[in-house]
Amino acid sequence: AQTVTQSQPEMSVQEAETVTLSCTYDTSESDYYLFWYKQPPSRQMILVIRQEAYKQQNATENRFSVNFQKAAKSFSLKISDSQLGDAAMYFCAGGDGNKLVFGAGTILRVKS
Amino acid sequence: DTAVSQTPKYLVTQMGNDKSIKCEQNLGHDTMYWYKQDSKKFLKIMFSYNNKELIINETVPNRFSPKSPDKAHLNLHINSLELGDSAVYFCASSQGLGAGPNYGYTFGSGTRLTVV
Repeated sequence: AQTVTQSQPEMSVQEAETVTLSCTYDTSESDYYLFWYKQPPSRQMILVIRQEAYKQQNATENRFSVNFQKAAKSFSLKISDSQLGDAAMYFCAGGDGNKLVFGAGTILRVKS
Repeated sequence: DTAVSQTPKYLVTQMGNDKSIKCEQNLGHDTMYWYKQDSKKFLKIMFSYNNKELIINETVPNRFSPKSPDKAHLNLHINSLELGDSAVYFCASSQGLGAGPNYGYTFGSGTRLTVV
């Protein structure tokens, strides 16, 4: 079974700076997928980025990129050029059978 | 236009009442889910349905009963509501049983249930 751990309850970043959110996971699967979701105050869950474990290359979506370290079971999210609209709760998630398992979330605050 | 829509968005009700939350998706997906987000924002799966068949039923009190009349709809009925049921309930969908864990879900906007 998949377990997902986010050890940072809260992070802050200055506008235009870079911030990294941490996530570690544990799974017995050989092939799996990992995700970062964003939940702004509107409460809508928005898929930010997805990583396939069998791919060596780290996924990138515009200002969002991941640092996927398979051996270390680490999957961190880097947000470059942070914007006020990035302020939200960020959840790391992994596939476990027929469902996604979510971490506890990290609140990201962006200072102007 | 909304891909996954839930109604109502807010629900305030008294202890002991019975209430339902409805979910519809127009994405053509065949798998739908209910997740509960508690006051600490932790998200936990409750149920999933694939083509109207119950696939996942996590440890949820049997006061909660999901119903899927067709693959585009998944409703959640809750009997004898308790204070601890207060939470945000999210509906989500994905194409195929394995697609959710592979491609991610499309979520509804959530229903905030408050039991007083």
